Amino acid sequence: TQLLEQSPQFLSIQEGENLTVYCNSSSVFSSLQWYRQEPGEGPVLLVTVVTGGEVKKLKRLTFQFGDARKDSSLHITAAQPGDTGLYLCARAGAGSYQLTFGKGTKLSVIP
Amino acid sequence: GAVVSQHPSRVICKSGTSVKIECRSLDFQATTMFWYRQFPKQSLMLMATSNEGSKATYEQGVEKDKFLINHASLTLSTLTVTSAHPEDSSFYICSAQGLAGGISQETQYFGPGTRLLVL
Repeated sequence: TQLLEQSPQFLSIQEGENLTVYCNSSSVFSSLQWYRQEPGEGPVLLVTVVTGGEVKKLKRLTFQFGDARKDSSLHITAAQPGDTGLYLCARAGAGSYQLTFGKGTKLSVIP
Repeated sequence: GAVVSQHPSRVICKSGTSVKIECRSLDFQATTMFWYRQFPKQSLMLMATSNEGSKATYEQGVEKDKFLINHASLTLSTLTVTSAHPEDSSFYICSAQGLAGGISQETQYFGPGTRLLVL
């Protein structure tokens, strides 16, 4: 099983602070997706990264794919209470569209 | 575009009864649908993959006779939890993949989930 390790598991910060969450694996990803899930709802796709070293920005969110394509990070600048949620990374299986999810980072942004 | 709905959003049932959950792709044809299960404070675990018109493929450890999946059309898949027990209480989420204008074939679009509580 090619596991995805996410860290930290929980993160509680004040509004306006910056934060970074990580997604790591011992094996190479062909691509990696980041999702955000709010309580009682399904996950919503934020971004897909494909190329080693790739950096994508989505407003205050910056996603980076490691050069070796074994790790990825999500950096949030000036966090807002609306950023609160469970951040999940996921990878597709080889030759398959099935997704394997990490355990997620539960982020709480305190006003 | 790419909206997926689930019905019901919440269901409470007695132990031993069966519960059917519907997953619909509202504005595209879903060639493949996936069913996930999520326990509190845990991640999504894939239960099964269903392709329209064929039998679902279940993940290891998921009982196919207990979790019946039907994908009879390109816009609807159903998950029936048969003879439900309290340990089946969970958040069930479906996702759909398909082809339509502006829709990425590789992207899974997730439904809002169904909260099942078995008493």
